[in-house]
Amino acid sequence: GDSVTQMEGPVTLSEEAFLTINCTYTATGYPSLFWYVQYPGEGLQLLLKATKADDKGSNKGFEATYRKETTSFHLEKGSVQVSDSAVYFCALSGGSQGNLIFGKGTKLSVKP
Amino acid sequence: NAGVTQTPKFRILKIGQSMTLQCTQDMNHNYMYWYRQDPGMGLKLIYYSVGAGITDKGEVPNGYNVSRSTTEDFPLRLELAAPSQTSVYFCASSPPPAIDSGANVLTFGAGSRLTVL
Repeated sequence: GDSVTQMEGPVTLSEEAFLTINCTYTATGYPSLFWYVQYPGEGLQLLLKATKADDKGSNKGFEATYRKETTSFHLEKGSVQVSDSAVYFCALSGGSQGNLIFGKGTKLSVKP
Repeated sequence: NAGVTQTPKFRILKIGQSMTLQCTQDMNHNYMYWYRQDPGMGLKLIYYSVGAGITDKGEVPNGYNVSRSTTEDFPLRLELAAPSQTSVYFCASSPPPAIDSGANVLTFGAGSRLTVL
């Protein structure tokens, strides 16, 4: 079945460092891809999405490009801030029932 | 604009007790979902509903039941609580997937942390 694999955490960076969180997927067909973010004590929020190959999703300085040839959707940010500390989830659309299939999440801690 | 509201936020149960986690949304979304989140394991789908009166099992439905009598509400019932059900539970809702892309943006509640002792 469909699945999402993302890099293990936790990831600890200094403020203004470059961030990459790797995400690869296995799916039949052509799913839409998502990054969700979960701040401490809160629910998940959509960060960005891409619905077809070569699409780039972007939001709040984060970017991810849908790479069909490598089945990847890596999350990047050029300069992280302390406020970016959160857990990041990669996900793909699971079919006609509309649910999402999530990776295990990557915890990011940004130190001042 | 409340979005998705879950109650309670925290609950401790004894083994064998039953309880209902409440979920309500005010966005008139047809689709609703219950996920559980275990440490280091991501989110697993328990049950989902594509409209009032329609529910179906997800990946991990055992030990749970749901109902969907209205568009707004989607309660999750635990009949005989077990320690394996200790988790954080998230309710989410969405409009139907986009016809062209299948893209579906879920709106999540803040979660309900359940401990079974």
